[in-house]
Parts: sequence; structure tokens; C-alpha cells
Amino acid sequence: GNSVTQMEGPVTLSEEAFLTINCTYTATGYPSLFWYVQYPGEGLQLLLKATKADDKGSNKGFEATYRKETTSFHLEKGSVQVSDSAVYFCARNYGGATNKLIFGTGTLLAVQP
Amino acid sequence: DVKVTQSSRYLVKRTGEKVFLECVQDMDHENMFWYRQDPGLGLRLIYFSYDVKMKEKGDIPEGYSVSREKKERFSLILESASTNQTSMYLCASSLPLSTDTQYFGPGTRLTVL
Repeated sequence: GNSVTQMEGPVTLSEEAFLTINCTYTATGYPSLFWYVQYPGEGLQLLLKATKADDKGSNKGFEATYRKETTSFHLEKGSVQVSDSAVYFCARNYGGATNKLIFGTGTLLAVQP
Repeated sequence: DVKVTQSSRYLVKRTGEKVFLECVQDMDHENMFWYRQDPGLGLRLIYFSYDVKMKEKGDIPEGYSVSREKKERFSLILESASTNQTSMYLCASSLPLSTDTQYFGPGTRLTVL
């Protein structure tokens, strides 16, 4: 089937620590992949995306690489800040012409000063 | 600036009531979406609209209907609210391409008593 699996949280880190949030997907084709972020009290906003294999999406110091061979799109950041505390959602589109999304369950990141 | 607004941030209703959740976007987007967000389940698509008066069921449409009479407005209707519909409801809009970003509203937290 089509699904997205991401690591469960919460993830608690100290400021300036390295962050990895794992995400894997299942798909019959080659979907586009997304990371969305939800800050407290807000709706989701796009963090980064990649539309084909080996693409790297990046934004605000976050990166993720579309790995077709491992069907993964892990989110990384070299040095997190307190302001990065949020819920992070990995997603893939359904494929074809639509941009309907399938979301993972979300990972809560808490960064402590 | 891109903007998606939802009619209420918080809503409390009684079992059996008819509930309307309104979403308005000012970006002239073709696509609009309604999701519900529940802890441990992530976001799940309820309904999707790709044009005025056009709609498509998502993954969990049971108990819900939608209306899109104008391009900028997409309404979610709970015909007879039940306690298991207590949730956070998120609206989003986007351009129509499969890689296009979805823009989210701040959400409506609905409690059904």
C-alpha cells in the first residue's frame, strides 16, 4: 500500500545538538516527498520538499535527501535551536496528477536551552 | 502573503447538532482540502476539492460532507455531530500540480459533547 512511517517522538535535544528524524515511505511509483512543520498553536507549513530521486530539499538549515533505494527521506539539521521546537510531519503525494498528501503521524521535537 | 483562514479557532457543539466549518483562501487556488488531526494518527484527508462544485472523498469521509460554491471558500459539514468527531480540523489550499505546496489554516479545535 501507500504509506508514510516516521519515527515516534517526542525527541528531546539540547540546543546545538544534531537532529535526525527518520521517514520512510511505500509507493508503487515515484512520489514527491515533503516535510511540513507545525509550530505551537499554528497550522502546518512547508519546510522542504523533493520531487525526484537524489533531490535534496533544504530550508532554514534543515535538509532531507530523496533516497529511492532505501525509500527514505530523513530530516536532518546540524545544530538545532529552541525555536525549532515543533511537530514535524513527513508526507508523500498520492502520485499521478493530484497533490493529495499522505502524512506520517508526526514527530514532536523539543529543544532545551 | 498567502493566507488561509478558518472561521473559528475553538468550537464546542452538542451531539446531534449540525456543524459548519468554514475555510477561506485568498490565493485563487484551485485545490482545497479538509483534514482532521488526531494524536498518534497524524493528518487524515476527509475531502478534497479541485474546482468549484467539484469534490472527491478522502480517506475518512464518513459522517462528513463538503460544499464549494465559490473558488475561495470550502466548507466542511458535520450533518449530525458525534463525540468521535472531536478533533482538530485543518483546511489547506494549493495550486493544482502534483508537486505544489499546500498552505494550511490555523485549525479549528472542535469538541462534541
